This record gives sequence, structure tokens and C-alpha cells, in this order.
Amino acid sequence: DIQMTQSPSTLSASVGDRVTITCRASQSLRTWLAWFQQIPGKAPKLLIYKTSTLGSGVPSRFSGSGSGTEFTLTISSLQPDDFATYYCLQYNSIWTFGQGTKVEFK
Amino acid sequence: QITLKESGPTLVKPTQTLTLTCTFSGFSLTSDEVGVGWIRQPPGKALEWLVVIYWNDDKRYSPSLRSRLTVTKDTSKNQVVLTMTNVDPVDTATYYCAHSSRAGYDALTGHRYVFDIWGQGTMVTVSS
Repeated sequence: DIQMTQSPSTLSASVGDRVTITCRASQSLRTWLAWFQQIPGKAPKLLIYKTSTLGSGVPSRFSGSGSGTEFTLTISSLQPDDFATYYCLQYNSIWTFGQGTKVEFK
Repeated sequence: QITLKESGPTLVKPTQTLTLTCTFSGFSLTSDEVGVGWIRQPPGKALEWLVVIYWNDDKRYSPSLRSRLTVTKDTSKNQVVLTMTNVDPVDTATYYCAHSSRAGYDALTGHRYVFDIWGQGTMVTVSS
């Protein structure tokens, strides 16, 4: 099974900050990596798939990069709606989620 | 517009069988070359993928839960049904169903699928 490790687990930031979340895989995913945003009490929302392709309607301040075993999600300028928990998902071999990164107010 | 909605019991006793239904609209699970997946989330914890069923009735199960899960589709009703046997309090979670569409292609292994549209989720508590 492929294991996914996200870091950090929690991130404190302010509106306007540039934020980066990392996801590491236990084996190569090539580019089969997606990112989700989850607001408390709501279903996850697809942000990015295939490492860097934005999902439908996702703002351009979100971007993804990486390949192989290390991937990053970057929010270029954090907005109030972006305080949420973010999950990576590998789909190279069945599916495995990371443990999540909570972005909270500093 | 694609929508999905989960339904089922909110409380189940240990050792019982849990049956959840995903009712969807806006796509066909017979001809659109898509799938429907189930994902769960225990309170305060991370997401866990459970199973996917495709338009052609192909299925993929989580290895850790395979012996307890069964997924079927009823295309006449636009529904996907998940059954989980022998439930335990650790199965307490919000259960989501999600539309699964193509998110890339690999010449060796074919199309890759990701969960792009989710239902609102249904909370299930396992307790005596």
C-alpha cells in the first residue's frame, strides 16, 4: 500500500500570506496526485488533480507542483475562505489520502 | 448538474450490517464511463477511501476492508448501494459517496480516476 504523509499537520497563517503544504508518498506516484479542501461540516472539494491541473471553478491563487514522491500545494495569497483542512490523495495505485493539514488563523 | 446524496441509518449496533445508498443525478452509470466511490471520515480524523464501482461494473475495494464491503449499482434507480458487515464502534464516521471521473491517462495502465463531486455525507454511529 502507498502511504501518504502531509506536513505540517497544522499551519498558522494570516490573510495575504503565501502558504505551502507538502505531501510525500512512500513510492513514486509519477503525477497522479490530487488536493482537496474541506471546510468544517462540509464535504471535501476537489482543488487540483494530476499534480497541477486546477479543478472546475478553483481560483488561480491555488497551485500544485511536484512529481515522483514529493508534491506541494501553494496558496499564493491566503483569503478568509481558505481557512480549512487540506488533504492530498494519491491515485497511482487505488486511492490513499494524506492525514490532512489544518490552516488556521495566526 | 451532477448531484449525489447519501442515505441510511444514523445508528447501528455492533456486529450488525450497515447498508448505505447513494442516489445520484446528472450522469449515467451505464454509459458515461465514470464511477461512484465511497469515502468515510471518523469524527475529527482523516478521509479514508473504501470502494469504487465503475460504469462497466468493475469494482475496486480497499484491501483493509475488502472482506466486509460489498458495492452494487441499480442503474434503473440511479443508485449505488454499499453494505458493510460486522460493524464496530471504530466504523463510526461520516460516509460520503462521490462521482469519479477521468483525471489522466497512462498508456500502460489506462485511465485514472479521481473523486470530483461529492455528496453531503451521512453520519453513522455504531453503538449498542
